[in-house]
Amino acid sequence: EPEVTQTPSHQVTQMGQEVILRCVPISNHLYFYWYRQILGQKVEFLVSFYNNEISEKSEIFDDQFSVERPDGSNFTLKIRSTKLEDSAMYFCASSESAGARTGELFFGEGSRLTVL
Amino acid sequence: RKEVEQDPGPFNVPEGATVAFNCTYSNSASQSFFWYRQDCRKEPKLLMSVYSSGNEDGRFTAQLNRASQYISLLIRDSKLSDSATYLCVVFNAGNNRKLIWGLGTSLAVNP
Repeated sequence: EPEVTQTPSHQVTQMGQEVILRCVPISNHLYFYWYRQILGQKVEFLVSFYNNEISEKSEIFDDQFSVERPDGSNFTLKIRSTKLEDSAMYFCASSESAGARTGELFFGEGSRLTVL
Repeated sequence: RKEVEQDPGPFNVPEGATVAFNCTYSNSASQSFFWYRQDCRKEPKLLMSVYSSGNEDGRFTAQLNRASQYISLLIRDSKLSDSATYLCVVFNAGNNRKLIWGLGTSLAVNP
């Protein structure tokens, strides 16, 4: 069964350091997403990506965040200068279509980011 | 009123019980509705899309009530493996297209 894969599974970093989280979406999917979940809290939308550009982003996704699809398969989330409050589980997701079926997302297992 | 609201629980039920969760949403123009399941420290997984006419998948039944703006999930003959958090997700179309996630309802099925 096709799946979304994410690396690393866990990253520990010092405050102020840059972090890149990587994702390989399902190959025939066209829509890509990053979400985060702080421990014990709700799933929060960060950004969606379609046709090689950001289609939507939340207020969380400020100038410290960026996304890229450098080679047609990987989908990366970069945090330029990490803060303590960036500590969370970051989930990548992809979906095949938009429209009424938007919301049928396939998630990766997540990358746990710990900022010290 | 929160955009998507769920009773956080926890719901503690014995194996074999029937349990139901409700989720209310505030935007009457919401277009699509979904139930996701999330195990502890794992990724959310799509459980069911919720169709206007209601839909059933094995022991799981989802219903939509647009007039009262809620969706429900019914689990029959609950199993130990049903223990998880159940997330209600609502898609709002229009100018501000976005998925709204509920905080989730925690279910513990006990032997």
